[in-house]
Amino acid sequence: QSVLTQPPSVSGAPGQRVTISCTGTSSNTESRYDVHWYQHLPGTAPKALIYGNTNRPSGVPDRFSGSRSGTSASLAITGLQAEDEGDYYCQSYDSSLSGFVFGTGTKVTVL
Amino acid sequence: QVLLVESGGGLVQAGGSLRLSCVASGFTFSAYGMHWVRQAPGKGLEWVAYIRSDGSGELYGGSVKGRFSISRDKAKNTVYLQMSSLRPEDTALYYCAKEWGFYLDSWGQGALVTVSP
Repeated sequence: QSVLTQPPSVSGAPGQRVTISCTGTSSNTESRYDVHWYQHLPGTAPKALIYGNTNRPSGVPDRFSGSRSGTSASLAITGLQAEDEGDYYCQSYDSSLSGFVFGTGTKVTVL
Repeated sequence: QVLLVESGGGLVQAGGSLRLSCVASGFTFSAYGMHWVRQAPGKGLEWVAYIRSDGSGELYGGSVKGRFSISRDKAKNTVYLQMSSLRPEDTALYYCAKEWGFYLDSWGQGALVTVSP
């Protein structure tokens, strides 16, 4: 059972903006440990999307952005495109579990 | 570029053992920690295990602790996941991933493990 909670699904029309929340506890997202985001498209390996709460790896479009406040973090996708359809996960480290944790995952649907 | 290739997956009976391998290339293997992450059918990503860059320490997820063991061979640029006392709920696609700053910056394509009852 994940300690990082995400909404099961979000949807939007092409061009719209959607946000995905990631809510944790004091032992993970409110601590000194950063939150990271991954995109998992059907039939492919997961891909790093945001690291260190707000940073994009090289090659990731600036349509994707991350933020963090208290025990929550968020991923925003602006200018939604059909190829963005897939699953998105947040990830951090949990000091009480002494291990890494993934969020419950959010399915993004482009209407 | 970074390339991670998993192998060793297959069908095994409950209670059996299996060893996964992940061969790394395109980066200095001995400088980075490595992870195993799995995805069961219809489920989300679950972190399984981590090993430090020099092999001096390991961490395990609660559901596999005491049954799985992660190791690495610097000479072969390979990280392993030894899985024992396998259960049907261990059925999943297992990914290896390279770590950088507490996040997983590169992933392999995965190896499928199926555990029959």
